[in-house]
Amino acid sequence: GNSVTQMEGPVTLSEEAFLTINCTYTATGYPSLFWYVQYPGEGLQLLLKATKADDKGSNKGFEATYRKETTSFHLEKGSVQVSDSAVYFCALLNYGGSQGNLIFGKGTKLSVKP
Amino acid sequence: NAGVTQTPKFRILKIGQSMTLQCTQDMNHNYMYWYRQDPGMGLKLIYYSVGAGITDKGEVPNGYNVSRSTTEDFPLRLELAAPSQTSVYFCASSYSRPGGNTEAFFGQGTRLTVV
Repeated sequence: GNSVTQMEGPVTLSEEAFLTINCTYTATGYPSLFWYVQYPGEGLQLLLKATKADDKGSNKGFEATYRKETTSFHLEKGSVQVSDSAVYFCALLNYGGSQGNLIFGKGTKLSVKP
Repeated sequence: NAGVTQTPKFRILKIGQSMTLQCTQDMNHNYMYWYRQDPGMGLKLIYYSVGAGITDKGEVPNGYNVSRSTTEDFPLRLELAAPSQTSVYFCASSYSRPGGNTEAFFGQGTRLTVV
């Protein structure tokens, strides 16, 4: 079936450190891939997405590249800020399942210290 | 611009009680969804709707019911609450299916505890 696996948290970094949050997926066909972010006390927001292999999604200094050969969509940022502290969810759109069914990873909590 | 609004934010229920989680959106989106997130787990789809009057089951529909009488509202009903329904519930909406030129917008969540 379709599934998403992302690295366990929490992840604690100092400001300006490099961030990588790993995400791998299992899917039939050609899913779209997403990173959602949830800031404290708020709902989930789309951070970035990629709809086909080798696409790179980017937003707010974050990037992720759709790697079909390794079935991965790792999230990276070169220099994190305290304001990046949040929970990050990797997700894929399952075209073979119910319409609009986003399959989520468990989420990775990021804490950035000044 | 309110977006997706869920109420209540927190609720404690006793086993066997009933309640309705409210969800409304003001973006004229035709697709709406209910997800649950258990501790340490990802989000699982409970029910979804592709338009007023149309609903369908997701991955984990047992113990829940929904209705979609208007475009704006998509309430989730728990008839006989069970401890297994302790979770955080998220409502979401999108203009068409996510992944195209649209995205899913989420509410802030409802934290439900059944004791």
